[in-house]
Amino acid sequence: KNQVEQSPQSLIILEGKNCTLQCNYTVSPFSNLRWYKQDTGRGPVSLTIMTFSENTKSNGRYTATLDADTKQSSLHITASQLSDSASYICVVSDRGSTLGRLYFGRGTQLTVWP
Amino acid sequence: GAGVSQSPRYKVAKRGQDVALRCDPISGHVSLFWYQQALGQGPEFLTYFQNEAQLDKSGLPSDRFFAERPEGSVSTLKIQRTQQEDSAVYLCASSSLRLAGGREQFFGPGTRLTVL
Repeated sequence: KNQVEQSPQSLIILEGKNCTLQCNYTVSPFSNLRWYKQDTGRGPVSLTIMTFSENTKSNGRYTATLDADTKQSSLHITASQLSDSASYICVVSDRGSTLGRLYFGRGTQLTVWP
Repeated sequence: GAGVSQSPRYKVAKRGQDVALRCDPISGHVSLFWYQQALGQGPEFLTYFQNEAQLDKSGLPSDRFFAERPEGSVSTLKIQRTQQEDSAVYLCASSSLRLAGGREQFFGPGTRLTVL
């Protein structure tokens, strides 16, 4: 069964600190992996997209890594800000079907305290 | 428009009522997706349109759920005889690419449906 698991479920850090969120997936065959940020009451917004051949991708203070062999990804947030408080969702796309279904994790709820 | 818009943003329905949720995708986007997001969960795929054609509706949970995109732009998700388990946020996303697993999907703010 195609699944995406994220950890931790929730995380609280102090402003200015770094943190790393984890994602494990069993989606196969793999097409790409995305990290989305979802603010409360808003739709998800894409942070990074990585294909099989990409090991790391950065977007400002966000750096995503991908290990396609172990089927793991991480999202590292540097120098956290209050506005980073949100749910971070890992999404994996397969290429087994013609249409390439997206599989979503449950998200990690990050809270940044001043 | 500048982004994907959805209406209404909030909907409260009594059990058994029919509801219709609207999605206005980004102008010119070929692909349109509907997702259901239960509280504390990640979004789950409901259905996918390429222009006016509904190419995948395998995620619709029951025959009470119906989606259409008659002119290949605006889409409506209809839920008949709503049940309490239908309470969720319904997200719409659009993409300029034809493949559902393609690169960028832009999400709307969602419609929060509460069934009493």
